[in-house]
Amino acid sequence: EPEVTQTPSHQVTQMGQEVILRCVPISNHLYFYWYRQILGQKVEFLVSFYNNEISEKSEIFDDQFSVERPDGSNFTLKIRSTKLEDSAMYFCATTELAGEGPYNEQFFGPGTRLTVL
Amino acid sequence: AQSVTQLGSHVSVSEGALVLLRCNYSSSVPPYLFWYVQYPNQGLQLLLKYTTGATLVKGINGFEAEFKKSETSFHLTTPSAHMSDAAEYFCAVIGTAGGGYNKLIFGAGTRLAVHP
Repeated sequence: EPEVTQTPSHQVTQMGQEVILRCVPISNHLYFYWYRQILGQKVEFLVSFYNNEISEKSEIFDDQFSVERPDGSNFTLKIRSTKLEDSAMYFCATTELAGEGPYNEQFFGPGTRLTVL
Repeated sequence: AQSVTQLGSHVSVSEGALVLLRCNYSSSVPPYLFWYVQYPNQGLQLLLKYTTGATLVKGINGFEAEFKKSETSFHLTTPSAHMSDAAEYFCAVIGTAGGGYNKLIFGAGTRLAVHP
């Protein structure tokens, strides 16, 4: 069964460093999302991405964050200068464009646990 | 704006017992509601969803949920818990008025423990 994959599974970084989290979507999926979950808190929407541009972003997604699809397969989330409060589990999700539309299932990857020291 | 509240961050049941995980939502428009499950070290997997039509929705692994507009609830149940049901369960609502491909707004999650 096709699945969304994410790398790395765990990233430890120093405050102020740049990190790139990678996601490989399911092959026929064209709509992508990043969510994050700070330990003990809700899963929160960060950004959605379609046709090589951001569709929507939350207030969390400030200038320190960026997303891109550099090679037509990977979908990346970059945090330019990490802060302690960026420590969280980051989930990538993807959905196909056809089908039921807004109710399409979002398929989630296993997550990347980011620890900022 | 839409929001979701899950009552009970931890629920513990005996194997074979009824499971009830509570979810209440707030939405200014007709809601589209989802339950996701997360097993240890895995991503979130869709259990079931309500969009329109029948208010009792059946999902995978013997789970079902009933949309009750008057109570703004979408509680998840299964009649007989299995050890393999131990996981974290998230209720979610589509975050806009519909149309397009919208973000999910999640509740805080409920961790289900099943003991022999």
